[in-house]
Amino acid sequence: GAVVSQHPSWVICKSGTSVKIECRSLDFQATTMFWYRQFPKQSLMLMATSNEGSKATYEQGVEKDKFLINHASLTLSTLTVTSAHPEDSSFYICSARDSAGANVLTFGAGSRLTVL
Amino acid sequence: AQSVSQHNHHVILSEAASLELGCNYSYGGTVNLFWYVQYPGQHLQLLLKYFSGDPLVKGIKGFEAEFIKSKFSFNLRKPSVQWSDTAEYFCAVKNQAGTALIFGKGTTLSVSS
Repeated sequence: GAVVSQHPSWVICKSGTSVKIECRSLDFQATTMFWYRQFPKQSLMLMATSNEGSKATYEQGVEKDKFLINHASLTLSTLTVTSAHPEDSSFYICSARDSAGANVLTFGAGSRLTVL
Repeated sequence: AQSVSQHNHHVILSEAASLELGCNYSYGGTVNLFWYVQYPGQHLQLLLKYFSGDPLVKGIKGFEAEFIKSKFSFNLRKPSVQWSDTAEYFCAVKNQAGTALIFGKGTTLSVSS
């Protein structure tokens, strides 16, 4: 089945640094990937839609300069949390939809970001 | 804007008990509905989905859900839960643009053996 891989699974960084999280579709191509954020004991909140070869579409309230998204190829999208602060600590989850047409999203295992 | 409400924050059941988790959505047009499960320490997995047709949808692991358009509901059911069903359950609806999923807050199910 379709597999989405995220890396790193857990990252701890100092306040003020930038962190990049990768999302890869391993056995399918994805023109569209999605980035979600999940706070403890809460639901997933859609942050942005990542489109291959074009700019990401951000949800209301999400700072595009803070959360940089690049979708450079059909199998890779990256989320960079710039100048991270403790309040950015969260679980970031990506998902991808198979370009071949399957109408279901496949989720990655998530990346835990801890900002000290 | 579309929204999804899950009424039960935490459900505790004994093994073999029946389960029903509530899910209501706000959008009145054509909807695509999903239930995902997240086992402890694991990623989200699709349990079942509804796009059209038979409103009673059967998914994996003995789960089913019924789409009731008049009630804007898509409740998840299982006749007899097992300890291994302990997990977080999320109801989701595809957004109006058809490009992403909007999730409910999730329901934690704890099953005691």
